[in-house]
Amino acid sequence: QSVLTQPPSVSGAPGQRVTISCTGSSSNIGAGYDVHWYQRLPGTAPKLLIYRNSNRPSGVPDRFSGSKSGTSASLAITGLQAEDEADYYCQSYDSSLSAYVFGSGTEVTVL
Amino acid sequence: QVQLQESSPGLVKPSQTLSLTCTVSGGSIISTNYYWSWIRQPAGKGLEWIGHIYTSGNTNYNPSLKSRVTISVDTSKNQFSLKLSSATAADAAVYYCARGAPNWGRGYYFDSWGQGALVTVSS
Repeated sequence: QSVLTQPPSVSGAPGQRVTISCTGSSSNIGAGYDVHWYQRLPGTAPKLLIYRNSNRPSGVPDRFSGSKSGTSASLAITGLQAEDEADYYCQSYDSSLSAYVFGSGTEVTVL
Repeated sequence: QVQLQESSPGLVKPSQTLSLTCTVSGGSIISTNYYWSWIRQPAGKGLEWIGHIYTSGNTNYNPSLKSRVTISVDTSKNQFSLKLSSATAADAAVYYCARGAPNWGRGYYFDSWGQGALVTVSS
């Protein structure tokens, strides 16, 4: 059971916008800890997609954006492309567990 | 561009110690302030942070695994290692090594990952 809750899957047609939610609690996201997002393409290592809630590393397309509010965070993908089919994970820190924690993961399918 | 690569025996017997090594290339493991980390993912389950060793040599482990985990560094080989004692079937997973980049004094995020190494626990 992951500490951060994500929908198991989301899907959209090419060009559409999809969002992935990451719901936490008062001991992690709600406590002010930042949320980071990772993309794992099939058969590859996870890749940092968004750090510190809304920042994109160099090389990440601006189609990807992140936000955080209260005890939740979201990742949005606009202009969905076939190459975006992957698993996406959020990550934060939990003060009650004294551990870095991840979301349950969301599989994005491009229809 | 730093790269990380895990190596492991692949198969560990129950009750034995699970050992993995991560080789870092493209940068020195001690040259900058990073948190060299281990993360695992059992089949069908989520990602679990195991722990890290900081550039200074300080370690921090997930409390749920702390009694069985040791992370160490070999600066001469630019490697860091994970040992997990008393392995059980529950420890079977894909194990990733990753680099934790400091987040303005509020923990860190993982900016580079290895490809992952599958470890099976079976007699």
